[in-house]
Amino acid sequence: AQSVAQPEDQVNVAEGNPLTVKCTYSVSGNPYLFWYVQYPNRGLQFLLKYITGDNLVKGSYGFEAEFNKSQTSFHLKKPSALVSDSALYFCAVSGGGNKLTFGTGTQLKVEL
Amino acid sequence: GAVVSQHPSRVICKSGTSVKIECRSLDFQATTMFWYRQFPKQSLMLMATSNEGSKATYEQGVEKDKFLINHASLTLSTLTVTSAHPEDSSFYICSARDRDRPNYGYTFGSGTRLTVV
Repeated sequence: AQSVAQPEDQVNVAEGNPLTVKCTYSVSGNPYLFWYVQYPNRGLQFLLKYITGDNLVKGSYGFEAEFNKSQTSFHLKKPSALVSDSALYFCAVSGGGNKLTFGTGTQLKVEL
Repeated sequence: GAVVSQHPSRVICKSGTSVKIECRSLDFQATTMFWYRQFPKQSLMLMATSNEGSKATYEQGVEKDKFLINHASLTLSTLTVTSAHPEDSSFYICSARDRDRPNYGYTFGSGTRLTVV
């Protein structure tokens, strides 16, 4: 069975500071990894994905994530946070099949 | 880019009635669509996988007779909540995967807030 862990329910960061949202995964075979962002009462917006290739993946809105196979992690990062980045972030994994499994989500709060 | 349209965005219905939610892929064909349910401040729970032209595959614990899924074409899947009760109130989200670009990822609809009174 595949699973995703997002150990932090909430991450607080000051605007302009770097941010990290943590994600670890467990899956059989090669992982397909995703980050999505959700604003209140909205669906999920795709940020970035890792399928194969470079371990550092760059995505939308200046976000990036690094795939670390040995640590089974896929942490989301941004060098300089904006207040508008405040939202709920979900990490998800697929074992190459159809089914996506989501983490519990991390609420990011960026303050002035 | 890929777009999934989900309607309605918000619906209030009386207990005992049925509600239909539509999920359309606007610029791609999806042999597979997914229906999720999200409780407040919680993650997305997969309810069922909708397969074009065949029966949906339901996750354990999801009542197939209560949550009817129809995927009649490559661009449309519907979820009907039958005989709705207040405990069915939730945020329902669909997603779809491009048949021709399976590595592109999953595109999500904007969600439907269902309130049963």
